[in-house]
Amino acid sequence: DTGVSQDPRHKITKRGQNVTFRCDPISEHNRLYWYRQTLGQGPEFLTYFQNEAQLEKSRLLSDRFSAERPKGSFSTLEIQRTEQGDSAMYLCASSEQGRYGYTFGSGTRLTVV
Amino acid sequence: GQQLNQSPQSMFIQEGEDVSMNCTSSSIFNTWLWYKQDPGEGPVLLIALYKAGELTSNGRLTAQFGITRKDSFLNISASIPSDVGIYFCAGQLGLSGNTGKLIFGQGTTLQVKP
Repeated sequence: DTGVSQDPRHKITKRGQNVTFRCDPISEHNRLYWYRQTLGQGPEFLTYFQNEAQLEKSRLLSDRFSAERPKGSFSTLEIQRTEQGDSAMYLCASSEQGRYGYTFGSGTRLTVV
Repeated sequence: GQQLNQSPQSMFIQEGEDVSMNCTSSSIFNTWLWYKQDPGEGPVLLIALYKAGELTSNGRLTAQFGITRKDSFLNISASIPSDVGIYFCAGQLGLSGNTGKLIFGQGTTLQVKP
């Protein structure tokens, strides 16, 4: 296992289009997190899953955002009707329940033009 | 909401110098973590601190969990060019088994002159 994988690494989309990102966590990790990071800022929490259950969502996650983890393995984050303000790095991380300091992926850099 | 204030915002130092950065919060955290992020990559965990007053080292890195549980610092000794990057502190509210959500500071950008 080579860690947390995110795909794609970069995405450029036109405003109003829908985009979907994928995250493959470390296989034995049952917790999966999505964060968003804008330039010059630290990552901000968006949502997290324990197995297939989405247990917490930040108010940053507007109704245009949806995340799924259907079989408790990989996860997808979809943004509908993208806006320029959605341009950011979207980071996925995974951990075992009860363990601290989870492992981040390399992120998906989204640019909305 | 919770906020972490990290300082300094940036540092430009000579290779071989020691570096110190810190993080303060208005909230109490049960865990403090320090991450390093290279350009275009995700953050990588450097040190995790679990108890107030705890002092932990990882090679040339040393970090402490403040007694009040509202602050932490990170020291890097004898800096080298590969120390360049952005350093983030992060606090976690929950105990073991809780959500694991992290609150991050704004980062300290470190540049090292050879």
